[in-house]
Amino acid sequence: QVQLQESGPGLVKPSETLSLTCTVSGGSIRSYYWSWIRQPPGKGLEWIGFIYYSGSTNYNPSLKSRVSISLDTSKNQFSLKLSSMTAADTAVYYCARGVAQDYWGQGALVTVSS
Amino acid sequence: DIQMTQSPSSLSASVGDRVTITCRASQGISNYLAWFQQKPGKAPKSLIYAASSLQSGVPSKFSGSGSGTDFTLTISSLQPEDFATYYCQQYYSYPLTFGPGTKVHIK
Repeated sequence: QVQLQESGPGLVKPSETLSLTCTVSGGSIRSYYWSWIRQPPGKGLEWIGFIYYSGSTNYNPSLKSRVSISLDTSKNQFSLKLSSMTAADTAVYYCARGVAQDYWGQGALVTVSS
Repeated sequence: DIQMTQSPSSLSASVGDRVTITCRASQGISNYLAWFQQKPGKAPKSLIYAASSLQSGVPSKFSGSGSGTDFTLTISSLQPEDFATYYCQQYYSYPLTFGPGTKVHIK
């Protein structure tokens, strides 16, 4: 059974860069697309972007100037970096497998506050 | 961007009811549509992909249909564990986009 687990800081200061990692177990990261999605408190889901196992990426244009997704096949992990964080970026951040997101992590709440 | 809409935004139903949720895309997306269930404080769970294919382990009371711009998710007999918010998502083109959700309440 494939499992995903997000890790990273729960609190980020305004203007700083968020770094989150998703560890994949029960399957290899050397296939599929790997996605990041976020959900502000009480709101809907927003796709951030994904990375293919080959390393190619695609990002939501609304975040493209601030986002970077990378892959570490040796650790079976992929990571998200989101720069210039503001209060509007406060959300639960999820990692998921595939473009149709068949498996999800449990989510990581990230709060932007000084 | 492809805009996804859902109707209704919320509904009240009783245990045993048949429930249908509609999702509409602003342009044709063939069958590149997924449905998710989300309970409070939990991650979304994949129910259906390719508009009508049931994910492994998902009970057959859930079914999906549609193609092009109009899609439906049907729960044949609502059970207490089905009260949740349901989202559709298109993966036909980038950026991937989700519908705003349909919250299913207990009547």
